[in-house]
Order: sequence, then C-alpha cells, then structure tokens
Amino acid sequence: EPEVTQTPSHQVTQMGQEVILRCVPISNHLYFYWYRQILGQKVEFLVSFYNNEISEKSEIFDDQFSVERPDGSNFTLKIRSTKLEDSAMYFCASGTGGSGYGYTFGSGTRLTVV
Amino acid sequence: EDQVTQSPEALRLQEGESSSLNCSYTVSGLRGLFWYRQDPGKGPEFLFTLYSAGEEKEKERLKATLTKKESFLHITAPKPEDSATYLCAVQAMRRGSQGNLIFGKGTKLSVKP
Repeated sequence: EPEVTQTPSHQVTQMGQEVILRCVPISNHLYFYWYRQILGQKVEFLVSFYNNEISEKSEIFDDQFSVERPDGSNFTLKIRSTKLEDSAMYFCASGTGGSGYGYTFGSGTRLTVV
Repeated sequence: EDQVTQSPEALRLQEGESSSLNCSYTVSGLRGLFWYRQDPGKGPEFLFTLYSAGEEKEKERLKATLTKKESFLHITAPKPEDSATYLCAVQAMRRGSQGNLIFGKGTKLSVKP
C-alpha cells in the first residue's frame, strides 16, 4: 500500500538552529500538508500546498516556517531559528483531492529543540 | 470558531465489551467529518469520512454515524488490537480552503484481554 515517507524520524537541534524536515508524498497525490502535534495536545494544521504554492496556512505558520517542493517527489518544511516551543511531532500528509477528501499521513518526525 | 470535542478522553474496555466514542463539533458549514486511528509514535491512519447527517460507514468492528451536531464511533466486540487513540476531525466549508482538518484531542481506547 502506498505510504507517505518522512525523514528523519527523530531530530534533535539546538535552539536558534535551522531544521529541514523532509517528506516524500504518495506519487499521484496533488495536495500536500504539514501538521504538528505537541506532546499531549491536538494535531494542529500548519499549511497546505497545491500547484506549487501555499494554498492555506494557519496562524502558527509564521515567517519562521517555509515549505518547498524542490523536485517532483520531495516536500520539505523548514523552520528557521528554532525555539523550545517548536518541539513537537511534525506530520506530513498528501491527498488526491482538496476540500472534502481525506488524506494519508506519514509517521512523523519528532523534533526536539534543546 | 470551528471546534471539535471528543469524549471520553480515555476508555478502558474488556475484550468483547462494546461501546461508543463521541465527537461533537461546531463548524461554519461541514464539508466532511473524519475519523482517524493513531497508534503511539505514529501518524493518524484514516478510517472513515462522513459528509451528511444520517450517513453511516462500517469497517470490521467499527461503525461511524453522523448527526448535525455530533458523530459516534461504535466499537462492537473490541479486541486488544483495537487499542489506540481515535481522532475525530472536521473540514469546514470555506472559500479557498484546500481541506485543512480541525482535530479533537482524541479518545484513548484500551482493550484488555
């Protein structure tokens, strides 16, 4: 069964450093998403990406964050100057449709900022 | 404000003991309601999508139902392998939305043999 692949599974970084989280969505999917889940809290939407541009973003997704689809297969989330409160599980997801359709999540990258 | 509330937060069942999980929502126009299963340290795994009141979906021991204000996930004769956190999420009808999900906190289900 096709799956969304995320790397690394766990990343530890020092406060103030930049990190890039990587995702390989399912190959025929057109819609891409990043979510995060702080330990013990809800899964929260960060950003959606379609047709090579951001289509929607939440209040969490400020200038510290950026997304890119550098080639036909990868989808990345960059966090500049990480803060302690950025520590969370980050999930990538992809889908064939936009609103009204479900989508497939990856297993996540656990980001720990120290 | 769009919101999803799940109850109970945790549920412990004996194997074979049927029960229901609740998801109540307030949303400015419902595009769809989604149920996901999440195992520890993993991403959410899609279970069902429901679109309109009265709709029902089934998969093995799970059955999801939808009303205008809430959804139920019924678990019939659960097995230990059904132990997981069950997440409910909604998509709102919003111009320009590409389908972002608003999640509840989940119900952590434990099924003892």
